[in-house]
Amino acid sequence: AQSVSQHNHHVILSEAASLELGCNYSYGGTVNLFWYVQYPGQHLQLLLKYFSGDPLVKGIKGFEAEFIKSKFSFNLRKPSVQWSDTAEYFCAVNARGYNKLIFGAGTRLAVHP
Amino acid sequence: SAVISQKPSRDICQRGTSLTIQCQVDSQVTMMFWYRQQPGQSLTLIATANQGSEATYESGFVIDKFPISRPNLTFSTLTVSNMSPEDSSIYLCSVLTSGGLDTGELFFGEGSRLTVL
Repeated sequence: AQSVSQHNHHVILSEAASLELGCNYSYGGTVNLFWYVQYPGQHLQLLLKYFSGDPLVKGIKGFEAEFIKSKFSFNLRKPSVQWSDTAEYFCAVNARGYNKLIFGAGTRLAVHP
Repeated sequence: SAVISQKPSRDICQRGTSLTIQCQVDSQVTMMFWYRQQPGQSLTLIATANQGSEATYESGFVIDKFPISRPNLTFSTLTVSNMSPEDSSIYLCSVLTSGGLDTGELFFGEGSRLTVL
């Protein structure tokens, strides 16, 4: 069965610090990978996604993620965080051809001014 | 994109009662799903709501406990039946607007926060 692991449940950073949130998945076949973000009081929204091609994916608000197939990883990065990046971040995966999205447990990011 | 409205946004219910959550989308969508997010945990897929037929449930979820309706391409309901405190969760409606996850993305409603006393 597929599963997704997010290594950090809570991350606290100061503004301008660099961010990297870990995500690993377990599945032997071809997958699509997603990062979703949920800002306080808002609904989940897509940050970025990987289907195929360049393993370095750029999303909204300066976020990027790199798919490393050999490590089954899809880590999220941002060179310099802002206070407005305070949110919960979810990594998710689906097996190609199936519409079931499996989510990680989420990482709560708090950015202090 | 899709704008998804869920009602109620939150409710407090008594043990043994049932609550129906509504999900309305502003455009026709190909697929609708219901997720649950228990306190401190991730999102778990409950079922796929199929238009005009019975929903497809994931392992651990059954129709008697979570009956789902989808009468048309823009509306669905999820009922949480005979509630217990363990059912306290956020219930999320999500939709695919075109194709599947191989080409599209999942949009989410704001969720319905349910507390069972």
